[in-house]
Amino acid sequence: KQEVTQIPAALSVPEGENLVLNCSFTDSAIYNLQWFRQDPGKGLTSLLLIQSSQREQTSGRLNASLDKSSGRSTLYIAASQPGDSATYLCAALYNDYKLSFGAGTTVTVRA
Amino acid sequence: DAGVIQSPRHEVTEMGQEVTLRCKPISGHDYLFWYRQTMMRGLELLIYFNNNVPIDDSGMPEDRFSAKMPNASFSTLKIQPSEPRDSAVYFCASSPPTREQYFGPGTRLTVT
Repeated sequence: KQEVTQIPAALSVPEGENLVLNCSFTDSAIYNLQWFRQDPGKGLTSLLLIQSSQREQTSGRLNASLDKSSGRSTLYIAASQPGDSATYLCAALYNDYKLSFGAGTTVTVRA
Repeated sequence: DAGVIQSPRHEVTEMGQEVTLRCKPISGHDYLFWYRQTMMRGLELLIYFNNNVPIDDSGMPEDRFSAKMPNASFSTLKIQPSEPRDSAVYFCASSPPTREQYFGPGTRLTVT
C-alpha cells in the first residue's frame, strides 16, 4: 500500500522562525509529489509540485526537496509569519493518477 | 480562470434524501477527481475521470454513490439515499496533463 506519513502532526513556532515540515512515503516509484496548504473550512491550495526527476522546487519563501531513494520530502518555510498558520499536506502521485495524502501538519505561528 | 467551482458550498439534508453535488473543472483540464475528507479518515479519493470517462471508481464506498461527467465542464456526485455517516467535506479537483491537481472549495455535507 502506498502510505504517506507526516510528522509532527502539529507544530507551534514564534514568528520569524524557519519551519521544517517532513513527509515520508513508502513507495518510491512516485510520479510527482505535491505540497498543499489548507486553511480551516477551506479547500486545498497547491503550493509546490516536484516532479520525480527533480530534487527541489522553490517559490518565494517556500522550498521543497525530494529524495526518492529515502522516500522523503521536506517543505521549508523561511521567516515564518502568522499568516502561514494552516495545515500543510503532502501528497504523492503514482502512475495510476491517484494522490496518496498524508494526514497533515498543523502549523501555528505565534506573533 | 475562476478555478474549480463547486456547488452548493453547504448542504444539510435528512437521512434517506438524495444529494447531488456539482463541479465545474478548470477549462482545459482533462482529469477530474472527487475526494471526501473526514477527521477520521482524512482525504480519500472516490473516483476520477479522464476526458469525461470514469477511470477508477474503486474508492466509491457503496452503490449509494454515483458520479457522472456528461461533458468536459461539468460533473456530479450523487448520494441516494443519504446516511448520517456520509457527512463530510466533498472536494472536486481537476488536473492538466502535468498532473498538478487543483482543488475546489469543497461542499460541506451534513446528513441528519
